[in-house]
Amino acid sequence: GNSVTQMEGPVTLSEEAFLTINCTYTATGYPSLFWYVQYPGEGLQLLLKATKADDKGSNKGFEATYRKETTSFHLEKGSVQVSDSAVYFCALLGYTGFQKLVFGTGTRLLVSP
Amino acid sequence: DTGVSQDPRHKITKRGQNVTFRCDPISEHNRLYWYRQTLGQGPEFLTYFQNEAQLEKSRLLSDRFSAERPKGSFSTLEIQRTEQGDSAMYLCASSLGTGATNEKLFFGSGTQLSVL
Repeated sequence: GNSVTQMEGPVTLSEEAFLTINCTYTATGYPSLFWYVQYPGEGLQLLLKATKADDKGSNKGFEATYRKETTSFHLEKGSVQVSDSAVYFCALLGYTGFQKLVFGTGTRLLVSP
Repeated sequence: DTGVSQDPRHKITKRGQNVTFRCDPISEHNRLYWYRQTLGQGPEFLTYFQNEAQLEKSRLLSDRFSAERPKGSFSTLEIQRTEQGDSAMYLCASSLGTGATNEKLFFGSGTQLSVL
């Protein structure tokens, strides 16, 4: 079945450091791929997505490229801020016609000033 | 747009008791989803409604679980005879369902259930 594997956290960085959170997936066909973010005390929010191979999703300085050859969708940001501290979830969506997402286990990011 | 509301935010119950959670989706959204998130794991899909019809149920949803969405508005999730393994965060989400890949889910903050 479909599955998502993310790097374990926490990831601890200083402000303005470069961020990479790895995500790989297993799926039949060509799923859509997502990154969701969960800030403390809030619900999950869609951060970015990509629906086909070589697509790049971007939002708020974050980027991720859909790599079919490596079945990966790594999240990157060139310069993190303290306000980026949150839990990040990679997810995939197969061909269901509705939002039956398969999530990874989440990676906690802690950014210090 | 007031977002997706869930009530209560926290629920502590004793094993064997019944509990009910409520979700109020964004008003114009026709699709409603329930997910469950256990500690250290990502959310897992439980069930999905299109208007008032429950169209998909995960195998995770045992016979002790029942979800309803009367009149296609708010939804309730009931757990009967709770077990300690039911302890989790129960997340509700809604969307304006188009069936397309650009459908966007909006999540509530969840109900944290602790079964003692």
